[in-house]
Amino acid sequence: AQSVTQPDIHITVSEGASLELRCNYSYGATPYLFWYVQSPGQGLQLLLKYFSGDTLVQGIKGFEAEFKRSQSSFNLRKPSVHWSDAAEYFCAVGATSGTYKYIFGTGTRLKVLA
Amino acid sequence: DSGVTQTPKHLITATGQRVTLRCSPRSGDLSVYWYQQSLDQGLQFLIQYYNGEERAKGNILERFSAQQFPDLHSELNLSSLELGDSALYFCASSGGVGETQYFGPGTRLLVL
Repeated sequence: AQSVTQPDIHITVSEGASLELRCNYSYGATPYLFWYVQSPGQGLQLLLKYFSGDTLVQGIKGFEAEFKRSQSSFNLRKPSVHWSDAAEYFCAVGATSGTYKYIFGTGTRLKVLA
Repeated sequence: DSGVTQTPKHLITATGQRVTLRCSPRSGDLSVYWYQQSLDQGLQFLIQYYNGEERAKGNILERFSAQQFPDLHSELNLSSLELGDSALYFCASSGGVGETQYFGPGTRLLVL
């Protein structure tokens, strides 16, 4: 069965520090993979997505993610965090065949210290 | 701005009542998805429509129903409301299966 795990519920980093948010998935084939960000009281905004091809994906706001098939992971990274990055981040998996399913992880809440 | 619109933004109602949430997808998108986000359950997929037909069902209660109209807008109907139905309800749209979903700003429902 499809599943998405974000092991870290909360992460705190200092402004200017690097960031890595973890995402592990379970799916029988290569899925579509997404990272979304949600600011308080707002909807979800797509940061980046992986469908195929280059396993290192660049997104908006300076974020990137790397698809590692051997580890079933799609971790999100940013080299230098800004205070405005404080938000909740969701990893999602989309099935690529059959009845379409779109599963979200439980989210990681990022706090940025000035 | 994702191009997905949802109305109303906020809704306050009483237990036992019925409400309708409305979603207009991005221009050209045929798929509409509904999600419920609450503090204790996280983001839960409810239901998906594709070009007017139900395509997938998630954790949607029997008290809830949805439909997608010929002009592709969608409505989510919530009836016999309970306190636990208080949540943010998001609509998303995409062009097709597996494609990126674009989320609306959500409707915040408060059941008193």
